[in-house]
Amino acid sequence: EAQVTQNPRYLITVTGKKLTVTCSQNMNHEYMSWYRQDPGLGLRQIYYSMNVEVTDKGDVPEGYKVSRKEKRNFPLILESPSPNQTSLYFCASSGDRESWTNEQFFGPGTRLTVL
Amino acid sequence: GEDVEQSLFLSVREGDSSVINCTYTDSSSTYLYWYKQEPGAGLQLLTYIFSNMDMKQDQRLTVLLNKKDKHLSLRIADTQTGDSAIYFCAESSTDSWGKFQFGAGTQVVVTP
Repeated sequence: EAQVTQNPRYLITVTGKKLTVTCSQNMNHEYMSWYRQDPGLGLRQIYYSMNVEVTDKGDVPEGYKVSRKEKRNFPLILESPSPNQTSLYFCASSGDRESWTNEQFFGPGTRLTVL
Repeated sequence: GEDVEQSLFLSVREGDSSVINCTYTDSSSTYLYWYKQEPGAGLQLLTYIFSNMDMKQDQRLTVLLNKKDKHLSLRIADTQTGDSAIYFCAESSTDSWGKFQFGAGTQVVVTP
């Protein structure tokens, strides 16, 4: 089954404790993205990746890091989480320019609480 | 996303048509999307339109695009209770293929 998986689905942590949220897709997609969803703000793109070892900032990259060492994986790293990073996070993937619709497939979300 | 704007709430009676509106700002070649998010779930693509099109119809869904006003709408015919969800408008440019801008989402509530 074609899908995007994220782990963990729920995480409660404390300020300053480094954490990683994993994302994996099995559709051989070139593009992957991370978003955060906050009430009244919709989805805001944090980082995106066009291919292995190629990443770029979205609209809200501060406080986050990403890496793309393998095509299928795109982890989101919070080196020193703060309470304002409490949010619902989504990973998404989409095909290359040949799949001209650029449809994104979303993971189920990770709800992060930073105390 | 500050470049994509939508109204936040819509209440509609079952069987009526729903119309959700969105405005966008990107002036280059653009794809425009409508995503649906049901409670506790990720987003699912409903439909999309390219900026050189005026209209697209897909079963109960009709997308209208007014390029002059940069206005996009999604009409859902014969709205059902299963259509209750948050609907997001989004855009991506062919100049920045991986970059997306989403609106804040419109909460649609369908009443019996």
